[in-house]
Amino acid sequence: SAVISQKPSRDICQRGTSLTIQCQVDSQVTMMFWYRQQPGQSLTLIATANQGSEATYESGFVIDKFPISRPNLTFSTLTVSNMSPEDSSIYLCSVMGPGAETQYFGPGTRLLVL
Amino acid sequence: QKEVEQNSGPLSVPEGAIASLNCTYSDRGSQSFFWYRQYSGKSPELIMSIYSNGDKEDGRFTAQLNKASQYVSLLIRDSQPSDSATYLCASSGAGSYQLTFGKGTKLSVIP
Repeated sequence: SAVISQKPSRDICQRGTSLTIQCQVDSQVTMMFWYRQQPGQSLTLIATANQGSEATYESGFVIDKFPISRPNLTFSTLTVSNMSPEDSSIYLCSVMGPGAETQYFGPGTRLLVL
Repeated sequence: QKEVEQNSGPLSVPEGAIASLNCTYSDRGSQSFFWYRQYSGKSPELIMSIYSNGDKEDGRFTAQLNKASQYVSLLIRDSQPSDSATYLCASSGAGSYQLTFGKGTKLSVIP
C-alpha cells in the first residue's frame, strides 16, 4: 500500500483562525479523500479531492468552510476555516489502493480549537 | 440514509478466546465491506475486505458476509492483548468509492 504522510500531526488553534493540513502520498493515486473523526465518534467523509477540479463535498460540508486543493496526483490540502471549538477533531486523508478496491488512511492531524 | 450499525461494546474476551464482532447495514445496494482496526490515538488500519457472501479467512481473522440478512461479522481467533482496539465496519455501494463507517466496537482482550 502507499505511504501517506500528513502535516501537521497535531495543532492547537485559536477560534476564528484557519489551519491548512497537507497530505502527501509516495505514489500517484487517482482517488484521495478527507475524513473527520470527532472525539469518540466514527469517521465521516468530508469530501473527495479531485485532481484538477473542484472537490466533491458530502452533505453538511461546504467549500467555504473546508476548501480543498489537489494540484497533482500525490498531494492534497484541506483547510479548516474560521475555526470554532466544534471543529476539534482528527482529520484524516485516505487514498484508494491498487485496484481501487480499498482505502488506506494517513496518520491523521489532531486539531484542538480553543 | 445509508447506515452501518455496530455494538459499541466494550467487548471483553480472555486471551486465546474467539472474539466476534458484528455489523449490520441498511443499504441493500452496498457491495463491498471492510473491517478496520484503530488503536487509541492512531488512524484506522485495514484488516479485511469482503465482497461475496460467505467466509473469507486471513490468518487469525475471518470475515463473514450475509447480504440477505445485511450482516457482516469479523471473528478473531486466539485473541491476543495486542488485538485490543476499536474495530470499525465500513461499506461502499456499487461503483462508489465512498465508505460509510459504523461507530466501531471497542475490543479488550484480557491477559
